[in-house]
Amino acid sequence: EADIYQTPRYLVIGTGKKITLECSQTMGHDKMYWYQQDPGMELHLIHYSYGVNSTEKGDLSSESTVSRIRTEHFPLTLESARPSHTSQYLCASSESYQGNYGYTFGSGTRLTVV
Amino acid sequence: QKEVEQNSGPLSVPEGAIASLNCTYSDRGSQSFFWYRQYSGKSPELIMSIYSNGDKEDGRFTAQLNKASQYVSLLIRDSQPSDSATYLCAVLTTSGTYKYIFGTGTRLKVLA
Repeated sequence: EADIYQTPRYLVIGTGKKITLECSQTMGHDKMYWYQQDPGMELHLIHYSYGVNSTEKGDLSSESTVSRIRTEHFPLTLESARPSHTSQYLCASSESYQGNYGYTFGSGTRLTVV
Repeated sequence: QKEVEQNSGPLSVPEGAIASLNCTYSDRGSQSFFWYRQYSGKSPELIMSIYSNGDKEDGRFTAQLNKASQYVSLLIRDSQPSDSATYLCAVLTTSGTYKYIFGTGTRLKVLA
């Protein structure tokens, strides 16, 4: 059973709408991440957080923003969706700063902007 | 040169054979190494981690690490059609800054 939850699983939305993708984990992990992945393509890190009130941009430029007000919750927001934002968004978390543990991924949100 | 390199494949093996997946990395400061399996349309799932030189076995999976040569491999014994997926190599390096880098993945096809 997944310990990291993403909602919604699928979302089709019109251009210009504001959307928030939810991610919650019950493992007490300090570190959380958002990745973007197109079908058959590599993962791109767009945001990460090492704890409450800590957020950083990742390697891939993104027009999204994130917040980390609670340890378990790491939502991603797009203020104005565009067709170029169509992709799969994956949330992940990890336990240790020393990295001796891998990532646990959520099931993902497949976003389509029309 | 990419920091973590994998052959994109597809790597095709017959059912029951050993599948060998390879990954090379560029940063000698890399400390921890991970293999993820990703089925089409699904999210990655951690299947193996390895931190020391040598082999680590878990069921049909064996991870091999050679830090001197900067490569890590994943062997899948008695391959099954259900093993058909993309396998992602990930490397953690802490030289300078903490970086966790995924490879682009190798697509494995196990033929029945």
